[in-house]
Amino acid sequence: DADVTQTPRNRITKTGKRIMLECSQTKGHDRMYWYRQDPGLGLRLIYYSFDVKDINKGEISDGYSVSRQAQAKFSLSLESAIPNQTALYFCATSPKAGEQYFGPGTRLTVT
Amino acid sequence: GENVEQHPSTLSVQEGDSAVIKCTYSDSASNYFPWYKQELGKRPQLIIDIRSNVGEKKDQRIAVTLNKTAKHFSLHITETQPEDSAVYFCAARGPGGGSNYKLTFGKGTLLTVNP
Repeated sequence: DADVTQTPRNRITKTGKRIMLECSQTKGHDRMYWYRQDPGLGLRLIYYSFDVKDINKGEISDGYSVSRQAQAKFSLSLESAIPNQTALYFCATSPKAGEQYFGPGTRLTVT
Repeated sequence: GENVEQHPSTLSVQEGDSAVIKCTYSDSASNYFPWYKQELGKRPQLIIDIRSNVGEKKDQRIAVTLNKTAKHFSLHITETQPEDSAVYFCAARGPGGGSNYKLTFGKGTLLTVNP
């Protein structure tokens, strides 16, 4: 779905580096989410935002931070990357009571 | 918080057979249960969902059933085809308002349909 985009799509970084993953959407949805996907562990929620002034921690927020710069933009930061943050990261958006639409994902490798 | 268990983790069927994936949830207040399909290398996409005021919903070869008393819901795929091969995720969402209004996902089921 081209309405939800993520940059970069692939990233290799070193331990200790700060990295930012960006998500943009043109769907006009208020709600945005960041998930992490690891094999066998499904999709785990990192942070979510119901509007620009509302940001909430998910089940695995330690080591991550987020910024909701505008309704359409939601960024995820790893302040000091570590190898066990190697994963596939998905951004998603939703209207108030509807389905979630996922971005194409960012594959992050921390060496 | 909500906990969603999904079984089996892998499922292999012959083309034309049916496939059933089951999920249980812990929060009796959850009222929305979507199913997502993720093909290899792609993003998860919604294939069907059900709300707690409905017991069953069908869409062509796909159906979902919900048992609120037992707190479980299932995905049924009939007449499976090779293109049904993917990872399927169930999820549950709490009622509107507040921080519980978010999806909790199961760990996924890898479905393989053998020609």
